[in-house]
Amino acid sequence: QVQLVQSGAEVKKPGASVTVSCKASGYNFLNYDFSWVRQAPGQGLEWLGWISTYNGDTNYAQKFQDRVTMTRDTSTNTAYLELRSLRSDDTATYYCAREGRVTNPDFDCWGQGTLVTVSS
Amino acid sequence: DIQMTQSQSSLSASVGDRVTITCRASQNINSHLNWYQHKPGKAPWLLVYDASSLQGGVPSRFSGSGSGTEFTLTITTLQPEDFATYFCQQSHFPPYTFGQGTKVDTK
Repeated sequence: QVQLVQSGAEVKKPGASVTVSCKASGYNFLNYDFSWVRQAPGQGLEWLGWISTYNGDTNYAQKFQDRVTMTRDTSTNTAYLELRSLRSDDTATYYCAREGRVTNPDFDCWGQGTLVTVSS
Repeated sequence: DIQMTQSQSSLSASVGDRVTITCRASQNINSHLNWYQHKPGKAPWLLVYDASSLQGGVPSRFSGSGSGTEFTLTITTLQPEDFATYFCQQSHFPPYTFGQGTKVDTK
């Protein structure tokens, strides 16, 4: 079955970087792109950006443009999110989400979430 | 950015009730609207895409409607497993923004 398995929880100090991984299984990795979405405690969902699994093209939300990098490894069917210069308000659960379609995408499968805590 | 507004942050209902959740977009998004169910500690679950198309495996008591700027998710007969938070998301143009969520809890 289609499954996205994310890396474990992280605790980071302000100013540090974090990398979250998302390993896909159960389908052809190259046929679906990924978005990354986060949810801060008590808040709604926030889209960080998108990566094409086919060619690695990315589109980042302007808010995160200078701090985020999304990559993928087609040999291991894994997508990665790196967030730099962490602040306390980056404390959130980060999700990878498979885009069900190329245009006007829905997110038809999600990882289990990775809690990133930023604290001194 | 397109703003998505769910005016009800929470609503109380009982098993068997008909529940309606609304979502408004700050501009015309045609039918590019998706609905998700989210429970604590679990991944969100796609219920409805393109405003009214039911995702495979989703019970038929869920339905979506609307276009343009006004959208609705309806649960016809609320079941115990339906107590959760529901989010709308626009897929019209990036950044793909979400509503703040509507929590359905027990009356």
